[in-house]
Amino acid sequence: GNSVTQMEGPVTLSEEAFLTINCTYTATGYPSLFWYVQYPGEGLQLLLKATKADDKGSNKGFEATYRKETTSFHLEKGSVQVSDSAVYFCALSPGNKLVFGAGTILRVKS
Amino acid sequence: DTAVSQTPKYLVTQMGNDKSIKCEQNLGHDTMYWYKQDSKKFLKIMFSYNNKELIINETVPNRFSPKSPDKAHLNLHINSLELGDSAVYFCASSFRTGGETQYFGPGTRLLVL
Repeated sequence: GNSVTQMEGPVTLSEEAFLTINCTYTATGYPSLFWYVQYPGEGLQLLLKATKADDKGSNKGFEATYRKETTSFHLEKGSVQVSDSAVYFCALSPGNKLVFGAGTILRVKS
Repeated sequence: DTAVSQTPKYLVTQMGNDKSIKCEQNLGHDTMYWYKQDSKKFLKIMFSYNNKELIINETVPNRFSPKSPDKAHLNLHINSLELGDSAVYFCASSFRTGGETQYFGPGTRLLVL
């Protein structure tokens, strides 16, 4: 079946620290992979996506690379800001729906 | 200007009541979805419609009935509400099915007392 595993949070970092949120997946075929972000009290926003192996998605300083050999799509950012505090969801799309990971809470302190 | 909108934003009701949540998208998308987010933030697909036709129904109780009067609207009616229905319900849409980016509404926070 299709599933996504994310590192458990919360992740607490100081401003300007390096961020990695691990995401691995199990899927039949070659799904598209996504990172969505949910700010407090809001809906989900697409952060970045990759549709095939070795693709790198990037947006707002965040990056993730679709690694077929390790079935991973880890999220990274070189220097986090307080405004990055949110819940981050890794997801895959095997075709007609999104399958989400459990979400990782990120807290950035000034 | 809002791409995907939902009403109401908050819904507080008693057990046993019937309620509806409405969703509208102005993106010209063909496919719409309902997701449920539980208290631990876990998100799960409930339903998906493509061109007004139901294409996904993920073992959701019969008390939940989606209706899509046209491609731009997908409503969710819930009968005989139970405590366990308390959650945030998100509507989403995409251009079509098949790995497309989904755009989410702001969510409806349902609390059943």
